[in-house]
Amino acid sequence: DAKTTQPNSMESNEEEPVHLPCNHSTISGTDYIHWYRQLPSQGPEYVIHGLTSNVNNRMASLAIAEDRKSSTLILHRATLRDAAVYYCILTGSARQLTFGSGTQLTVLP
Amino acid sequence: SAVISQKPSRDICQRGTSLTIQCQVDSQVTMMFWYRQQPGQSLTLIATANQGSEATYESGFVIDKFPISRPNLTFSTLTVSNMSPEDSSIYLCSVDRHTQDDYGYTFGSGTRLTVV
Repeated sequence: DAKTTQPNSMESNEEEPVHLPCNHSTISGTDYIHWYRQLPSQGPEYVIHGLTSNVNNRMASLAIAEDRKSSTLILHRATLRDAAVYYCILTGSARQLTFGSGTQLTVLP
Repeated sequence: SAVISQKPSRDICQRGTSLTIQCQVDSQVTMMFWYRQQPGQSLTLIATANQGSEATYESGFVIDKFPISRPNLTFSTLTVSNMSPEDSSIYLCSVDRHTQDDYGYTFGSGTRLTVV
């Protein structure tokens, strides 16, 4: 599976937007870009996914670069409950998720 | 979306013993996945369990150490055998809920295992 690179940690102020970057320069044409997050003491939960076009859902937005070598997860208004580890994951033909180290997001009140 | 009940939520076990973790899903699923999360680390896939066939193990994990059962489409167990302190981790099961109305992988809340 293609690899992803994320910053180890990021901080944000409450009620401000957060942009979480992910680099995936070796992405293949059939790889989907997934984002999951893991809140403290919980299992990961699905956030959003996309292939080529930008995507929006009730939790977040996903902006995908035109060359697909990078993407950005956007939380429009961070809350304290958004503090979590965010994982950017590529899935191709394999059905399972391969987790990297993720980005620890800290939201400051 | 699928709901997963994972038991036990936590346990403290003596080295050399075995622990069986149960994962119950509220709907039928083809594939179930077992992960390990060591302290302060990310998740690592242990194996993929399909109903009616042997589980497929990832590199570094073997059936003798982590036997898996998948008797039907809603249930699976993972056993951690002959435990040592290095097995102290959180173990999670996961299912793929890609349906017409739902998407993504759902995870159980995990089993926090401490081996003493």
